[in-house]
Order: sequence, then structure tokens, then C-alpha cells
Amino acid sequence: QSVLTQPPSASGTPGQRVTISCSGSDSTIGSNYVYWYQQLPRTAPKLLIFRNNQRPSGVPDRFSGSKSGTSASLAISGLRSEDEADYYCAAWDDTLSGHVVFGGGTKLTVL
Amino acid sequence: QVQLVESGGGVVQPGRSLRLSCAASGFSFSSYGMHWVRQAPGKGLEWVAIIWYDGGTKYHADSVKGRFTISRDNSKNTLYLQMNSLRVEDTAVYYCARELDGSGSLLGYWGQGTLVTVSS
Repeated sequence: QSVLTQPPSASGTPGQRVTISCSGSDSTIGSNYVYWYQQLPRTAPKLLIFRNNQRPSGVPDRFSGSKSGTSASLAISGLRSEDEADYYCAAWDDTLSGHVVFGGGTKLTVL
Repeated sequence: QVQLVESGGGVVQPGRSLRLSCAASGFSFSSYGMHWVRQAPGKGLEWVAIIWYDGGTKYHADSVKGRFTISRDNSKNTLYLQMNSLRVEDTAVYYCARELDGSGSLLGYWGQGTLVTVSS
């Protein structure tokens, strides 16, 4: 049982917009930045969004993040086949000093 | 560019020990906090431990506390994870990761991972 809650799966067709939610608490998302990671099949995770809505250089602007209260969302517009991957949210947990918590991950399928 | 290369994984019997290493290059290693994260086969990411830039502060997940110890040698640009009393459920790919840019940031750069299999 992960501290951050994500839907186990999501799907969309090429060109569509999909969103992935991440639900936490006052001590996690409610008081800290949210980060999103993309893990393509058989590869290491890669930073996709940092500090709620910032994109590292090289990440397409099709990817966007938002946060409201104790929840966050990752949106992918103009869905492409290469976006098929697992997506994880993460945040600090203030109830446990120095601890990081991840969501359980969402497997995105491009139909 | 930032490069993190893990090593030391392998097959080990339950109850035995293993030490993982993570060789860092392409940045000032002594300036950044470092993490270990693991991923059991077919499962999600699980944070394992963090060590601050100077090694003065460390935190471990409850699932490994008292058995695993994170450490670093800034003179060798290397991060370590000493794993004792290994259990079958510790089987996973172990990733080392660097914080993005300090200031309380989370993981920004990841290594390729090393597989640890605990089996009799």
C-alpha cells in the first residue's frame, strides 16, 4: 500500500489528452512539491516534472503537472505511442524526517 | 553530464550480506544528497535511503532500518549501500539517484540499476 495513491492504469489513443492523478495527504503533497517520473519498459526511471509543474530541459511541453491541496495530476497531451510507460509521483513525507514516498505507479497504454 | 553507475548486485542467500556501490561522475559529488531506490520484479518504486551531501545525516526506510546502511566516500565519488540480513523480499533492482539541485529537491538523476536476488 503506497502512501501516494495513483490509478494502476490509464489509456488513450494517439493524439488524445490523458491525465494521471496522485493523491496524498497534508504531510506529503499538501506541504511539499510533487515530482513525476517516467519509466519506459526495461529502463531506469527518468525525471519528467519537478516542483509540481516544472519540466527539465528535453522534456516535451506535451507533459504538464499541476497540484491542488493534497492532490496532483500529470497531463499528457497529443499522446504518442512512445509515451507508453509507467508513471510515478513522489514527494517528501513530513511525518518521517527525510523520507521520500512514491505512488504505486500508473501504467499508461497507448491504444 | 551526470553519470551514475551501480555495481555489486548478484545472487545471495537469505541472511547473508552484500554491498552495493554507485560510482558518480560529471558533477561535484560532495555537493549533493544521494538516494537509493529499489524496484522488486513487476512492482513499483520503493525509496530505501538518503544521505546528505556531507554524509552527516542519513535516513532509511522502515523496511530496511537496522539491516541496511547508506554511506558515501566523497574522496572516491562513490555511494554505498551495505545490506545485511538479506531477505527474499529484498530481491529488486537497486537504483542510486542524485538529488536534482539541492534546496530540498527530490531525485533528479538515476543510474541504470543493479539487480539483487536473494534466494536459497
